Amino acid sequence: EPEVTQTPSHQVTQMGQEVILRCVPISNHLYFYWYRQILGQKVEFLVSFYNNEISEKSEIFDDQFSVERPDGSNFTLKIRSTKLEDSAMYFCASSEQAGSSPYEQYFGPGTRLTVT
Amino acid sequence: AQSVTQLGSHVSVSEGALVLLRCNYSSSVPPYLFWYVQYPNQGLQLLLKYTTGATLVKGINGFEAEFKKSETSFHLTKPSAHMSDAAEYFCAVRAVKAAGNKLTFGGGTRVLVKP
Repeated sequence: EPEVTQTPSHQVTQMGQEVILRCVPISNHLYFYWYRQILGQKVEFLVSFYNNEISEKSEIFDDQFSVERPDGSNFTLKIRSTKLEDSAMYFCASSEQAGSSPYEQYFGPGTRLTVT
Repeated sequence: AQSVTQLGSHVSVSEGALVLLRCNYSSSVPPYLFWYVQYPNQGLQLLLKYTTGATLVKGINGFEAEFKKSETSFHLTKPSAHMSDAAEYFCAVRAVKAAGNKLTFGGGTRVLVKP
């Protein structure tokens, strides 16, 4: 069964450093998402991406964050200058479509980001 | 703005007993409703969803949920718990008209199944 994969599974970085989290969505999917879950808190939506542009983003997704689909298979989340509060589990997801029908979002296993 | 509340961050049930996980939402218009499950070291997996039509929705692994508009609830049940049901369960909503397909999650309920 196709699945969303994410690398690395755990990333440790120092405050102020740039990190790139990588995701390989399911191959025929067209919509891509990032969510995060700070320890002990809810899973929060960050951004959705379609046709090489952002469809929707949350207030969390400020100028420190960016997303990119650099090639036909990868989807990345970049944090330019990490802060302690960016420590969280980051989930990538993909769906065939979006819009009026609630197409299922398939989630990856997550990347745990620890900022020290 | 939409919000989702899951009552009980931890639930403990005996094997063979009823599993009941509560979810209430706040939304000006009834949204689409979802339950996801997360097993250790895995991503979130869709259990079931309500979009339109029959308010009792059946999902995978014997779970079902009932949408009650008057109560703004979407509680998840399973008649008989198995050890393999030990996991974390998330209720989520999506606005019917949501171009970005954003999901709003509840806080999650971790289920422990006792032998």
